[in-house]
Amino acid sequence: AQSVTQLDSQVPVFEEAPVELRCNYSSSVSVYLFWYVQYPNQGLQLLLKYLSGSTLVKGINGFEAEFNKSQTSFHLRKPSVHISDTAEYFCAVSDHQGAQKLVFGQGTRLTINP
Amino acid sequence: DAGITQSPRHKVTETGTPVTLRCHQTENHRYMYWYRQDPGHGLRLIHYSYGVKDTDKGEVSDGYSVSRSKTEDFLLTLESATSSQTSVYFCAISESVGQGSGKYEQFFGPGTRLTVL
Repeated sequence: AQSVTQLDSQVPVFEEAPVELRCNYSSSVSVYLFWYVQYPNQGLQLLLKYLSGSTLVKGINGFEAEFNKSQTSFHLRKPSVHISDTAEYFCAVSDHQGAQKLVFGQGTRLTINP
Repeated sequence: DAGITQSPRHKVTETGTPVTLRCHQTENHRYMYWYRQDPGHGLRLIHYSYGVKDTDKGEVSDGYSVSRSKTEDFLLTLESATSSQTSVYFCAISESVGQGSGKYEQFFGPGTRLTVL
């Protein structure tokens, strides 16, 4: 079974500052990794994913994440945030088998202050 | 948009009443999922389906049942709703990333906000 820990429940940053949202996972098998974003009162949108290949993956809206197998981490970064990035961000993991069910972290609420 | 709709979008009901939520997809995806979202817990898998009449339990299946009689519809039923089932419910589908890769990514519907009084 897999588990995901998002190390910060809330992250406040100023506009145009860099941000890192931390995600650690636990699994005894190889995994796929995902970040989803949820804007206020909306559904979940896939931000980026690691399935194989390069450990640095780029997503939408200028976000990127790096898969670190030795540290079992998949931290999300953006070099300069905008007010519109205010949202909740979820890290998720699935194994490579069959239904590829997702296991989610608890979420990190990113608040951008002007 | 992966062609996923959920109905109803909002529902208020009373403890002990049955409730059915519907997820509809238009793109013939094999895998469908029901998750619930609660503060501090992220999303947790309730049930999933890997084909017509093929379903299995997820992490938090107690108190829920599902049915899939056709590819496009996946129903979630609360036989006797309780206040602990007040939540936002999301349906999802898996879409293949590259034909024959064995890799998938999940897309989510807009959600149903259920309140059990």
